[in-house]
Amino acid sequence: DSGVTQTPKHLITATGQRVTLRCSPRSGDLSVYWYQQSLDQGLQFLIQYYNGEERAKGNILERFSAQQFPDLHSELNLSSLELGDSALYFCASSVGSGHSYEQYFGPGTRLTVT
Amino acid sequence: AQSVTQLDSQVPVFEEAPVELRCNYSSSVSVYLFWYVQYPNQGLQLLLKYLSGSTLVKGINGFEAEFNKSQTSFHLRKPSVHISDTAEYFCAAGYGQNFVFGPGTRLSVLP
Repeated sequence: DSGVTQTPKHLITATGQRVTLRCSPRSGDLSVYWYQQSLDQGLQFLIQYYNGEERAKGNILERFSAQQFPDLHSELNLSSLELGDSALYFCASSVGSGHSYEQYFGPGTRLTVT
Repeated sequence: AQSVTQLDSQVPVFEEAPVELRCNYSSSVSVYLFWYVQYPNQGLQLLLKYLSGSTLVKGINGFEAEFNKSQTSFHLRKPSVHISDTAEYFCAAGYGQNFVFGPGTRLSVLP
């Protein structure tokens, strides 16, 4: 158990809909990262927040957005969903910001868009 | 472009045999390298990382990797694998604020 929790575990929704994925980092961790894992694209870094502020952006679509709240939990919002958005979405957390800090991954949320 | 290549999508190996999983990365002035393991239906777990210093890095579960700057490689090795090592292995590179994963290598350890 990494200490990172993600809800829900599974989500099934229809094209065009909007969903919110939630991540609670390990106690004491200030950074939260979001990743997408799909068969087509593999594992892709989406976005990082550090202590409430956006720190780095990867291959995140404009239809997707994220935020980190004062209690340090984070939410990833996916809108106007397409079939291709079906994937496993991982959240990771670390103490600091930067590659020298180990990232601890949550179990993921599996999103299925029908 | 920043990229990580794992040439072997699948590697079958018998139990107690040695294994090497290959990883190559696109060259950069500054790059940090990582190996992660993903067991079925689980998140990723860090095996080891190279930030600087000694080019031979030892990780958990008996794994080690060697950073080779001239060949832009960071191959993962284990001298004797166990059935429990069956998993997907990802090489990753940190370039500045970006984090790039390779496509993964599925290691299957056969009895």
